[in-house]
Amino acid sequence: AQTVTQSQPEMSVQEAETVTLSCTYDTSESDYYLFWYKQPPSRQMILVIRQEAYKQQNATENRFSVNFQKAAKSFSLKISDSQLGDAAMYFCAYRGNAGKSTFGDGTTLTVKP
Amino acid sequence: KAGVTQTPRYLIKTRGQQVTLSCSPISGHRSVSWYQQTPGQGLQFLFEYFSETQRNKGNFPGRFSGRQFSNSRSEMNVSTLELGDSALYLCASSATGTYNEQFFGPGTRLTVL
Repeated sequence: AQTVTQSQPEMSVQEAETVTLSCTYDTSESDYYLFWYKQPPSRQMILVIRQEAYKQQNATENRFSVNFQKAAKSFSLKISDSQLGDAAMYFCAYRGNAGKSTFGDGTTLTVKP
Repeated sequence: KAGVTQTPRYLIKTRGQQVTLSCSPISGHRSVSWYQQTPGQGLQFLFEYFSETQRNKGNFPGRFSGRQFSNSRSEMNVSTLELGDSALYLCASSATGTYNEQFFGPGTRLTVL
């Protein structure tokens, strides 16, 4: 069974600074996708970024980028130029070839003005 | 396109009762997954339906069941409610294919008294 671990229950960052959220996973599959989702307080969960395991190039979406290390089974999220609107719980998720998604426990990000 | 919708948004039940939650996926999406989200357990996968068939199942007791209709709408039923079933129940839809990202609904907040 796949597992996803987010070792940082809480993180904080100063506005305009950079923060990195960690995620590690365990799987025996070779093909899979990894995702970061954002869940603002009392709001809907939305996709931040996705990474295909077969792609070596790290995904980037504006201020959000990932550091994907397949051999180490590590998938961290970097948020640059942090904004107050980035405050949320962030979930790392794994989706394998059976279609089932496994989520980490989440990291609560606080952005300080 | 309209997003994923879930009804009702809030629900209060008493122990022993049963409840049915509904989810309407994004138009064209054939996969619907259900998750239970609690502060202590994070996001736990319940089951996934694809083209009216249960494709994946999490580790929940048989009191939790679901189904999907021909229009891809899905329902989740919980019988003999327990206090521990109080949670936010999230529905997520995705397009055909096991690797597509999931789009989440706003959730149904179930409180069991």
